[in-house]
Amino acid sequence: QSVLTQPPSVSGAPGQRVTISCTGSSSNIGAGYDVHWYQHLLGTAPKLVIYGNSNRPSGVPDRFSGSKSGTSASLAISGLQAEDEADYYCQSHDSRLSAWVFGGGTKLTVL
Amino acid sequence: EVQLVESGGGLVQPGGSLRLSCAASGFTVSRKYMTWARQAPGKGLEWVSLINREDSTYYADSVKGRFTISRDNSKNTLYLQMNSLRAEDTGVYYCARGTIYESSGTYFDYWGQGTLVTVSA
Repeated sequence: QSVLTQPPSVSGAPGQRVTISCTGSSSNIGAGYDVHWYQHLLGTAPKLVIYGNSNRPSGVPDRFSGSKSGTSASLAISGLQAEDEADYYCQSHDSRLSAWVFGGGTKLTVL
Repeated sequence: EVQLVESGGGLVQPGGSLRLSCAASGFTVSRKYMTWARQAPGKGLEWVSLINREDSTYYADSVKGRFTISRDNSKNTLYLQMNSLRAEDTGVYYCARGTIYESSGTYFDYWGQGTLVTVSA
């Protein structure tokens, strides 16, 4: 069981906007640790899509955006495209565990 | 260009040992945080271990006392020594480069393709 909670799945039609939530606690997100997001397709290397809560690495489309508030964070993807279909993971640090932690992952399906 | 290439995975019996390697190019491993993460079949990503620039090491509770992370600066290579392996250690193991963000966290900006470890009799 992950210390960061994500919905198992989300879906949306091409062109629509979806959001993926990541809920933590006072020992991780709520303690001020930043949240980072990764896109992962089975059999490939995970790809960083958001770092520091809301920053996009070079090459990531501005359709991807992130935010953080309190003990939660969110990843939003607008203008959905078929190529966005993948698993998405949030990641942060937990001071109680002295560990880096991932959320359980969310499978995005583009209908 | 930054590249990470894992090797050393394979089939091992429960209780056995395996050493994974992660050859880095395009940057110097001793100057960055380096981490291992894994994905069991049908499961999500799980953080396993991290070594920082000061050679301090950190482990997930599930592997503490059994796994050891290290690096060879002369070879620019990261390692994960895995002992007393269990069936639940089965999965794809990834190495990744860590970058500190404003002293309030570390994100992993480059990842390898992974190497498969199967623990089975």
